[in-house]
Amino acid sequence: KNEVEQSPQNLTAQEGEFITINCSYSVGISALHWLQQHPGGGIVSLFMLSSGKKKHGRLIATINIQEKHSSLHITASHPRDSAVYICAVPIQGAQKLVFGQGTRLTINP
Amino acid sequence: DAGITQSPRHKVTETGTPVTLRCHQTENHRYMYWYRQDPGHGLRLIHYSYGVKDTDKGEVSDGYSVSRSKTEDFLLTLESATSSQTSVYFCAISRGRDYGYTFGSGTRLTVV
Repeated sequence: KNEVEQSPQNLTAQEGEFITINCSYSVGISALHWLQQHPGGGIVSLFMLSSGKKKHGRLIATINIQEKHSSLHITASHPRDSAVYICAVPIQGAQKLVFGQGTRLTINP
Repeated sequence: DAGITQSPRHKVTETGTPVTLRCHQTENHRYMYWYRQDPGHGLRLIHYSYGVKDTDKGEVSDGYSVSRSKTEDFLLTLESATSSQTSVYFCAISRGRDYGYTFGSGTRLTVV
């Protein structure tokens, strides 16, 4: 069983739709990371959060430590949001990340 | 000023040859990592470093070695490249467990 599970694996939506990507994890963590990777591109860190909610522009990340679950939301989605979104958690006590498989998001105009 | 650079960006090499990938940072971060990314597997840790000359293995370390002789450089060596090592390799840096990660742009390695 993977320590980090993301859903859905693939998501296609129309421009303007509200997007939700989910991440569940099985280990105790101090923080959770959301990353973004555009096709053929590098990996960019979007958020690191340990509780509550963080917002950056149209992106919102939430985490529920008790339920071991995090969500990434995109409001008013745009084709440039098309990318793979990856959730990652540190292995407790170690300075190493475990990654989810990623969610491939496609926003059509 | 990317803060972290990988070289080369692309490389094609023959089976059995040694290959070294370089990760260079200007952030003076303590932790450096090498990952590989393959379809169906996501990102997997190869090796990481927690200081000069301090390194440890990740989950897919077989066939790879690393060295960190100074803070800013972390080298990944494939002693004898195999086709199964064809992949995209990412370097990452971090100040510590309570901080975020910065990733390099990746190195696409093809072993023929």
